[in-house]
Amino acid sequence: QLQLQESGPGLVKPSETLSLTCTVSGASIRSGNNYWGWIRQPPGKGLEWIGSMYSSGSTYYNPSLKSRVTISGDTSNNQFSLKLNSVTAADTAIYYCMRRPSGNGVDPWGQGTLVTVSS
Amino acid sequence: DIQMTQSPSSLSASVGDRVIITCRASQSVSSWLAWYQQKPGKAPELLIYKASNLKSGVPSRFSGSGSGTEFTLAISSLQPDDFGTYHCQQYNDYSLGFSFGPGTKLEIK
Repeated sequence: QLQLQESGPGLVKPSETLSLTCTVSGASIRSGNNYWGWIRQPPGKGLEWIGSMYSSGSTYYNPSLKSRVTISGDTSNNQFSLKLNSVTAADTAIYYCMRRPSGNGVDPWGQGTLVTVSS
Repeated sequence: DIQMTQSPSSLSASVGDRVIITCRASQSVSSWLAWYQQKPGKAPELLIYKASNLKSGVPSRFSGSGSGTEFTLAISSLQPDDFGTYHCQQYNDYSLGFSFGPGTKLEIK
């Protein structure tokens, strides 16, 4: 059964870099027609797609965040990561990692991790 | 980028009711649309993909339809467990981003 688990700091200071890792079990991030990526949800608000990485390693980012985002994969540990730099309070959110098979919806989602941006 | 809207933003319905939620895109997304259910404090879960395809294991009372810019999610006979927030998402073109609707909060009377 495919499972995803986010990990990383729950508190980040303004202007610093938010770094999260998603550990995947049950499938290889380099196999199949899959996109692996990140979605966030500010508390009490809607969902925002951050970006995705195809199983080949190609990356795709939300145009509104593209200048600050990097998504990369670690094949040896079957993980992928998110880096979001120059964070502000507006980046406070629950961050979900996810898999989206090509042509399909997002499935599954990680359980989510709350990241707060505050000094 | 493609903007998504949903209506209504919230609704309250009784067990056994038929419920319809509408999702509209600012430009055509073909059939590349998914619906998710999110319970409080939980991650969303996929219900429907490619506008009308029910994910395996999802109750058949859920159905999706539409193409282009207008889509609907229907629940044929509302059950107590169907409360939560429903989100639509278009995944038509990576260059334009994969945007979500603002969500529809469904309460059971």
